[in-house]
Amino acid sequence: GAVVSQHPSWVICKSGTSVKIECRSLDFQATTMFWYRQFPKQSLMLMATSNEGSKATYEQGVEKDKFLINHASLTLSTLTVTSAHPEDSSFYICSARRGRGGNTIYFGEGSWLTVV
Amino acid sequence: DAKTTQPTSMDCAEGRAANLPCNHSTISGNEYVYWYRQIHSQGPQYIIHGLKNNETNEMASLIITEDRKSSTLILPHATLRDTAVYYCIVVDGGSQGNLIFGKGTKLSVKP
Repeated sequence: GAVVSQHPSWVICKSGTSVKIECRSLDFQATTMFWYRQFPKQSLMLMATSNEGSKATYEQGVEKDKFLINHASLTLSTLTVTSAHPEDSSFYICSARRGRGGNTIYFGEGSWLTVV
Repeated sequence: DAKTTQPTSMDCAEGRAANLPCNHSTISGNEYVYWYRQIHSQGPQYIIHGLKNNETNEMASLIITEDRKSSTLILPHATLRDTAVYYCIVVDGGSQGNLIFGKGTKLSVKP
């Protein structure tokens, strides 16, 4: 089946620095990708929709200046957490849809971010 | 908000069928029912999806009631590795694919 890959799988960064997470669709083109965040023992929360060649659409309550999303190509979206703080520590997951209307949405393996 | 209701948790004996229910009483005609599962510390894994008809693949079967207000995911022979949180999600067929997750069902398969 289709594969979505994230990198890095886990990262530790110092408070105040920025960290970038990549999401790639390996065998299909994804005009739209999605970024989620998941805190321990909670469900996935949609952060933003990443559109190739245009600005991302953010969900209510998600700071667009803090969570920068770039969708540079049909197979790559990046999430940059700027000026990270310990409360940003979380599991970040991306997804991508192959086609429209009833086609499957695939998820990446997730990226663990720890801010110290 | 999620458009589905699922039991918080369920237990199943290894080797037995696991039947996971989901209520989606407000589903509309062009909305699909998707099932995903998440094993601890991993990204969600696609299981199966359907619109009206029952569906079966190598992982599971999906039974959708005639009025489409509820469905059941069936894992025919549960193994210990099937222990996970199972999410039932309703998705508009014309949407981009932004899935809204509820709390899901924590399935524990026991020896």
